Amino acid sequence: QKEVEQNSGPLSVPEGAIASLNCTYSDRGSQSFFWYRQYSGKSPELIMSIYSNGDKEDGRFTAQLNKASQYVSLLIRDSQPSDSATYLCAVILNFGNEKLTFGTGTRLTIIP
Amino acid sequence: ETGVTQTPRHLVMGMTNKKSLKCEQHLGHNAMYWYKQSAKKPLELMFVYNFKEQTENNSVPSRFSPECPNSSHLFLHLHTLQPEDSALYLCASSQDLSGSSGNTIYFGEGSWLTVV
Repeated sequence: QKEVEQNSGPLSVPEGAIASLNCTYSDRGSQSFFWYRQYSGKSPELIMSIYSNGDKEDGRFTAQLNKASQYVSLLIRDSQPSDSATYLCAVILNFGNEKLTFGTGTRLTIIP
Repeated sequence: ETGVTQTPRHLVMGMTNKKSLKCEQHLGHNAMYWYKQSAKKPLELMFVYNFKEQTENNSVPSRFSPECPNSSHLFLHLHTLQPEDSALYLCASSQDLSGSSGNTIYFGEGSWLTVV
């Protein structure tokens, strides 16, 4: 089982709709979760972090964490073409050595 | 501009060459990292330094040799690489190594390496 798993996509969403990105992780003891956005040819940039169960909202972005089910998701409301990118889920796993572990990323395309 | 600067941005090298990637962070962070990003693979952590000391070597082949002279600078020395080492190499930094909230990892723009 992969430590951090994402659907690689591509995921296509019409402009103005809600884009939903999902991520599951293997270590039940993980405490810190992040979503990074990476445009083609660019480095990842942090867009959301979440540490507690429930929802965390920041503008059009909402991160959702469910530790019991070991998944974290990212919702993008009112999707814009500029949201087209690869979204990387990252988790600090607690196998005795905290390190940030990434999923393979989901490529999102917003269709005008 | 994230405060983490990498040079060169693009590098083409032969398998017998020796080259180095450079990273500098202007954020006052204590921890620095090298990651490798290959097509269709997750970002792979290569090395971690905290206060100039290497704290993790993630089973990286010895043809990759990191150097951290101070908390602001990190190098990756490359020698006798293979074509499969072609990838995007990302440097990153964070305040420290903890998983606590607020300890964000910031990435540089990356160095695209092609081994021919």
